[in-house]
Amino acid sequence: GNSVTQMEGPVTLSEEAFLTINCTYTATGYPSLFWYVQYPGEGLQLLLKATKADDKGSNKGFEATYRKETTSFHLEKGSVQVSDSAVYFCALKTNTGFQKLVFGTGTRLLVSP
Amino acid sequence: DAGVIQSPRHEVTEMGQEVTLRCKPISGHDYLFWYRQTMMRGLELLIYFNNNVPIDDSGMPEDRFSAKMPNASFSTLKIQPSEPRDSAVYFCASSLGGSEADTQYFGPGTRLTVL
Repeated sequence: GNSVTQMEGPVTLSEEAFLTINCTYTATGYPSLFWYVQYPGEGLQLLLKATKADDKGSNKGFEATYRKETTSFHLEKGSVQVSDSAVYFCALKTNTGFQKLVFGTGTRLLVSP
Repeated sequence: DAGVIQSPRHEVTEMGQEVTLRCKPISGHDYLFWYRQTMMRGLELLIYFNNNVPIDDSGMPEDRFSAKMPNASFSTLKIQPSEPRDSAVYFCASSLGGSEADTQYFGPGTRLTVL
């Protein structure tokens, strides 16, 4: 079946540190891949997406590249801020006509000043 | 646009009671999704609708759960009777169709506590 695996959290960093959150997936065909972010007390919101192999999604300094050969979509940011503290979810959607997103378990990021 | 609106934001009830959660999607969106989030199970899709029609309810836990979408601007998720294990945050999300269907917009959630 389709699934997403994320690294366990929490990830604890100091401000301005480099961030990587690993995400790998299992899917039939060629899925679209997403990163959603959930700030405390809020719903999820789309951070970035990529719809085909080698595409790079980017937003707010975050980047992720769709790597078909390694079935990965790792999230990176060069310099994190305290305001980036949140839970990050990797997700996929298969191109089967159904609109279901399959989410990973989420990775909590804590950034200290 | 006000975004996806959910009510109530918090609900505390006793085991055996009926609970109704409400959602107003973003105007013009074709899809509506109900999710449940818990520490143990993460984020689970319960059911989703397309143009008010339920498409996939395979995530609905059991017959105690039911969802309706009587029109394009309103949906309910009902639990009857409620049990302590139903305690969770329930999210509603909506999206456009076509090429924009990938992006789901989430509401703020309803935190349900069943005592």
